[in-house]
Amino acid sequence: EVQLVESGGGLVQPGGSLRLSCAASGFTFSFYDMHWVRQTTGNGLEWVSGFGTAGDTYYLDSVKGRFTISRENAKNSLYLQMDSLRAEDTAVYYCARGNSTWYGAFDIWGQGTMVTVSS
Amino acid sequence: SVLTQPPSASGTPGQRVTISCSGSSSNIGSHTVNWYQHLPGTAPKLLIYSNNERPSGVPDRFSGSKSGTSASLAISGLQSEDEADYYCAAWDDSLNGHVVFGGGTKLTVL
Repeated sequence: EVQLVESGGGLVQPGGSLRLSCAASGFTFSFYDMHWVRQTTGNGLEWVSGFGTAGDTYYLDSVKGRFTISRENAKNSLYLQMDSLRAEDTAVYYCARGNSTWYGAFDIWGQGTMVTVSS
Repeated sequence: SVLTQPPSASGTPGQRVTISCSGSSSNIGSHTVNWYQHLPGTAPKLLIYSNNERPSGVPDRFSGSKSGTSASLAISGLQSEDEADYYCAAWDDSLNGHVVFGGGTKLTVL
């Protein structure tokens, strides 16, 4: 079964750090672009970061310099290191697979992990 | 949000409902549009990709279209289980490889 499972969310104080993980299974992980998308409380979906198969990385302007996306193909895993966290980063963070055959549509999503930034 | 959607839509069972998504030349005008269905507390689901294509398993009651810098999602034969949030999305050339989403439309089945 094709699956993405996120972990690593939790409560952190402003200025703190968290590392999110996304474990992939059921497909050849290295063949796909991978992304992080978040949903803040009461708001819609917001793309956060992406990691292409060629090693290219992309970030939402508001997280650039604070968040770092990485992947370990040997472990079928995607990560998001989040530093200097702010209250506005509070959200459910989803891991999503980008399907290049379908023009980059996010065809598989995880269930999400909650990140709360509060003192 | 970079893409503009109506915040809400509604219909009765069996009706046809459309949800609009308005963008610009740097996103919808240059790239294909994808639509996602999201029930709170669950994983979002890809509903339409490349403007009007359905992944396997998505009922043909769902259809998408695009014209210029706008797109729309149509749901025919509305069912109670269609009650969810719907988001359009597209890549945006002006944002260095970013994906932009619409603000989402909450569909209520009356």
